[in-house]
Formats: sequence, C-alpha cells, structure tokens
Amino acid sequence: AQTVTQSQPEMSVQEAETVTLSCTYDTSESNYYLFWYKQPPSRQMILVIRQEAYKQQNATENRFSVNFQKAAKSFSLKISDSQLGDTAMYFCAFMRYSNTGKLIFGQGTTLQVKP
Amino acid sequence: DGGITQSPKYLFRKEGQNVTLSCEQNLNHDAMYWYRQDPGQGLRLIYYSQIVNDFQKGDIAEGYSVSREKKESFPLTVTSAQKNPTAFYLCASTNAHEGADTEAFFGQGTRLTVV
Repeated sequence: AQTVTQSQPEMSVQEAETVTLSCTYDTSESNYYLFWYKQPPSRQMILVIRQEAYKQQNATENRFSVNFQKAAKSFSLKISDSQLGDTAMYFCAFMRYSNTGKLIFGQGTTLQVKP
Repeated sequence: DGGITQSPKYLFRKEGQNVTLSCEQNLNHDAMYWYRQDPGQGLRLIYYSQIVNDFQKGDIAEGYSVSREKKESFPLTVTSAQKNPTAFYLCASTNAHEGADTEAFFGQGTRLTVV
C-alpha cells in the first residue's frame, strides 16, 4: 500500500522569502503522479503543481517548483517570493498511474506567511 | 463554468439520523470520490466510483453509503452507524483517463456536525 508523509505540521515564512515543504512517500510502483494541493481558509482545494514520475525534470509553475527525488521517494515543494495569499494548508498527494484516479494524501502542512 | 457543486455547505445531524450530502459535477468526468477531512489527518477516502452504477469502498467506508445512478451525481449518505461523523467532507472528480493532464477537481465541501 502507498503512504504519504508530511513531517512538518506547521511552518512560517516572511513575505518575499523562500520556503520549502517536505514530503516523502512509499510505493512499489514505477509510474505514478505526485501533486501538491493548497487549501486556503476557504477550504477549496486548489492544485498547485503536478509531477509525473517518469519525467526526470522537476515541475515548475511560476513561483512554485518541486524537487523530485525518485530514488529517495521525496517530493518537496519550494515557494519563492512568498506572498500573503500563500497562507494555507498544503497537501502532498500520490496517485497511481492507472485509471482509478484515487489520491492518497499526506497529513498536511499549515503555512503561515508573515508580513 | 465547469465544476463540482456540493450542498449543503453546513449540515447538522441529530443522533440516530441518516443524512445525505449532495455532489454534482458538469465536467463530464467518469470517476468521482468522497473524502473525509479531520484535523491533523489529511484527507481519507470513503468511497469512489469509476463508472455509473458501480462504486468501491475506500479506506473508511464503514457507516457510509453511496449511489451512482447518473454520471453527474454521486451522493453520500452518512448513516446512524457512523459513530463519529462530525467532519469536513470533500467530493472530487478526476479525468483519470487523460494521462499527462490527470488531476482531481474538488467541490467546496460540506461541514457536518452532530448535535
């Protein structure tokens, strides 16, 4: 069975600085997807970034980038130039490369961006 | 606009009552999911359905039931057998057959409280 672990329950960062959220996972699959979702106070889940395991290049989306280390089963999220609107809970999630679409989530990291 | 609509936003249940949470999507997705969110535990899968008239249990299905009579709709019933139903419930759908564009889309959630 797959598991996802986020070991940082809470983090804080000053506005305009950079912060990295950690995520590790366990799987015997060779092909899969990894995601970072953001849940702001409104509780709407928003996709931040997606990584396909067969791609060696790390995904980037504007100020958000990942460090994907497949052998180490690590998938960290880096947020550059942090903004107040980045304050939210962030979830790391795993999905098998199949047609089920089931997501397995980590416990979440609450990020506070301070002015 | 395409999306997922959950209703109601807030729901109160008396002890011993069954309640039904609504989830409707107009994204033409085959697969739909119900997750439960508790503080500090991330999201856990209750039930999922990959096609009309078929559904499977997730990790925490006890005390819940679902139906999938239409592609657009995937209602969740919280039965009196669910001993601790107070939680935030999220419905999702995926374009799980889309390969590189696979992602999950979420509704805005229903907060269920036992009174």
